[in-house]
Amino acid sequence: EVQLVQSGAEVKTPGESLKISCKGSGYSFTTYWIGWVRQMPGKGLEWMGFIYPGDSDTRYSPSFQGQVTISADKSSSTAYLQWTSLKASDTAMYYCARRGGNYYGDYWGQGTLVTVSS
Amino acid sequence: EIVMTQSPATLSVSPGERATLSCRASQSVSSNLAWYQQKPGQAPRLLIYGASTRATGLPARFSGSGSGTEFTLTISSLQSEDFAVYYCQQYNNWPPGTFGQGTKVEIK
Repeated sequence: EVQLVQSGAEVKTPGESLKISCKGSGYSFTTYWIGWVRQMPGKGLEWMGFIYPGDSDTRYSPSFQGQVTISADKSSSTAYLQWTSLKASDTAMYYCARRGGNYYGDYWGQGTLVTVSS
Repeated sequence: EIVMTQSPATLSVSPGERATLSCRASQSVSSNLAWYQQKPGQAPRLLIYGASTRATGLPARFSGSGSGTEFTLTISSLQSEDFAVYYCQQYNNWPPGTFGQGTKVEIK
């Protein structure tokens, strides 16, 4: 069974750094792209970027380029989403998703809620 | 950037009735369109990809159609578990692979 299990909710203050995770199991982690999706409170969905764990090839959506870093660790089958300096506007639910045959998500993690508040 | 527009914003349907959701692209996306279902407090779930291919295990009451700029998701006979928000997403142009704003299907 394909599963993506994300790390738990985080509460941070503006300016702090953060790294959240997404652990894949039940499939060959290195041969499927993993993407990250942002959902701001009460809003819709936005793709942030994708990583191919096999060679760490990473693609970012223009709105998120330079704002976050996506990485992966093949040895632990885990993908990461990282911020160096959080802003209140980063408050959102973040989902990881396995890329299906194209740029859509066929399996999704349960989500990680990130709250940034002073 | 391709803009995806879903209609209606809210659809009120009685259990057992048919629901028809629309998604329009600002330019052609060929058949590179997916539909997702999201229930409160849950992650999105892939329903349809390639505009009309059902995801693994999806009940046959869900069907997708369309190509180019006009797409439809039909739920032939609504069950209680189908009340949710539905999103379309084009992946013909990525980045950014834009989503529609969602259609909420609620109980009438």
